[in-house]
Amino acid sequence: GQSLEQPSEVTAVEGAIVQINCTYQTSGFYGLSWYQQHDGGAPTFLSYNALDGLEETGRFSSFLSRSDSYGYLLLQELQMKDSASYFCAVRLMDSSYKLIFGSGTRLLVRP
Amino acid sequence: DAGVIQSPRHEVTEMGQEVTLRCKPISGHNSLFWYRQTMMRGLELLIYFNNNVPIDDSGMPEDRFSAKMPNASFSTLKIQPSEPRDSAVYFCASSVQGGGNTEAFFGQGTRLTVV
Repeated sequence: GQSLEQPSEVTAVEGAIVQINCTYQTSGFYGLSWYQQHDGGAPTFLSYNALDGLEETGRFSSFLSRSDSYGYLLLQELQMKDSASYFCAVRLMDSSYKLIFGSGTRLLVRP
Repeated sequence: DAGVIQSPRHEVTEMGQEVTLRCKPISGHNSLFWYRQTMMRGLELLIYFNNNVPIDDSGMPEDRFSAKMPNASFSTLKIQPSEPRDSAVYFCASSVQGGGNTEAFFGQGTRLTVV
């Protein structure tokens, strides 16, 4: 089966840098995506890695290593509003094109 | 576009009653997903439609759950009869089908409480 594992919770202080890891066991997939979800809200797309390496979008960066079955989301210059849950996700490369999500990491940013 | 629209936003019902959740995907999107979110199980994919056809319903927990997509602009998820363990937030999401970066857009969800 397919699974994506993430730490359940991460805590960091405002202004710091935090890395949220995602390890996966899955058959072929198109790329690794990251979504953000604030309490009471809906998941919203953050970033996508089709190839190995680092993708940067403002304060957020995402990394993928297919050989290590591993990826991460890096958040820099943390702000209080970054407190949310973060999910990694993959679109499977089989005929289903299913979009499956990791277990989610709850990030708490403290002043 | 108004995004993915779900209704109702909140639903409280008694055990045994039928519940119908509704979703209008983004115009032009041909993939539609129904997810269930709970603290214990996270975001679970229930069923996935492509071009209005159910492609994978392996995530549907029981026969009490059914989903339809009669046309490209409307889908329903029905629970009959409902049980307290069905209490969760149900999300509908849509995207353009295909490989690569097909970002999924989520509705605001329906918070279902079965008492």
